[in-house]
Amino acid sequence: GENVEQHPSTLSVQEGDSAVIKCTYSDSASNYFPWYKQELGKRPQLIIDIRSNVGEKKDQRIAVTLNKTAKHFSLHITETQPEDSAVYFCAATLQGGYGNKLVFGAGTILRVKS
Amino acid sequence: SQTIHQWPATLVQPVGSPLSLECTVEGTSNPNLYWYRQAAGRGLQLLFYSVGIGQISSEVPQNLSASRPQDRQFILSSKKLLLSDSGFYLCAWNRSPYGTGRDTEAFFGQGTRLTVV
Repeated sequence: GENVEQHPSTLSVQEGDSAVIKCTYSDSASNYFPWYKQELGKRPQLIIDIRSNVGEKKDQRIAVTLNKTAKHFSLHITETQPEDSAVYFCAATLQGGYGNKLVFGAGTILRVKS
Repeated sequence: SQTIHQWPATLVQPVGSPLSLECTVEGTSNPNLYWYRQAAGRGLQLLFYSVGIGQISSEVPQNLSASRPQDRQFILSSKKLLLSDSGFYLCAWNRSPYGTGRDTEAFFGQGTRLTVV
């Protein structure tokens, strides 16, 4: 069925190392792929997004890559810091009966150890 | 600027009681509206989404229903709550400008933590 798969479910890294989170999607018509960060008890907030006409996008220590052929996209965080610890969600717009819907992956708990 | 309001922030309800969670968006027109549920330590499960009044899609079989009485108002309801309905409920909105294929960033409400006892 239509879904977004996300891996790993948990990720522990040492401060200063890089973290990579991967997602795959099923709908070849998907064209928008945002990443959200959710801190404990708070609402998810957008950290970066990419559209299907772009292969890579970077914003300081955060980058996202998209492989449309393989239908997967990844979040890369470099030089991780303790404040990067949070739950990260990938998402994709999938075609629904009433138009596009935003579907999220299961989330990755990132722990940055200092 | 656009804002999204969701209330209440917390709710404790007995099993079998009704539920009504409300979400309103200001500063935009014809938004896509979403209800998600997040169980403890889990992902964001899409429950309902709506691209306009009268156009609501239910994504998973469940004990809940959604209504959109006005363009910028989205309501999540239940006639009789179950213990399994406990969770963190999030309302969100974004836009899909017609003909552009360019969905916009989704913004979330503060969430409602529902505990069914």
